Amino acid sequence: DVKVTQSSRYLVKRTGEKVFLECVQDMDHENMFWYRQDPGLGLRLIYFSYDVKMKEKGDIPEGYSVSREKKERFSLILESASTNQTSMYLCASSLGQGASEKLFFGSGTQLSVL
Amino acid sequence: AQSVTQLGSHVSVSEGALVLLRCNYSSSVPPYLFWYVQYPNQGLQLLLKYTSAATLVKGINGFEAEFKKSETSFHLTKPSAHMSDAAEYFCAVSEGQAGTALIFGKGTTLSVSS
Repeated sequence: DVKVTQSSRYLVKRTGEKVFLECVQDMDHENMFWYRQDPGLGLRLIYFSYDVKMKEKGDIPEGYSVSREKKERFSLILESASTNQTSMYLCASSLGQGASEKLFFGSGTQLSVL
Repeated sequence: AQSVTQLGSHVSVSEGALVLLRCNYSSSVPPYLFWYVQYPNQGLQLLLKYTSAATLVKGINGFEAEFKKSETSFHLTKPSAHMSDAAEYFCAVSEGQAGTALIFGKGTTLSVSS
């Protein structure tokens, strides 16, 4: 069965901390994505990657960075966490060009920044 | 740039009634269109997708959607609602080109009453 694994289900951090959210997929997918989900705002794209070491900004990249050193792993980094980054973070992956195929989602990381 | 608008953040129906969830898209090229569903405390799963084959697309759990280019719409329907259909539904669009990502709407919460 295909799998996208996010390292933590719940995370509590302090303002100003550096936060790493890890995502691993076992499907040899080219594309990987980070979204954040907030009530009333749906899913908003933070960053995505269509190849190793490649990254593209999404709609809300400010305050975030990403790393993709290996095909299966895509990390989201909050350089200095702020309270407005409290959210549910969803990682996803897909095969094929430009997200034309089904996205497989992880179960999400609920991040609280205090 | 591509975008998706879901009309109505909440839709309430009675069990057995028609379900209609509205989605309009904007895309500069022929789009790939998707509906995803998120049940309470679960991840997103694909309901159906349109990829320029038949304009009427059938998905899981009795849902279907019709692509109407002239109206730039991709509305989701189900003839008879079940209690188990209560969930949040997301419409999404992709241009399917290399280096592009799936863009989601803000979601519509469907409530089903007995």
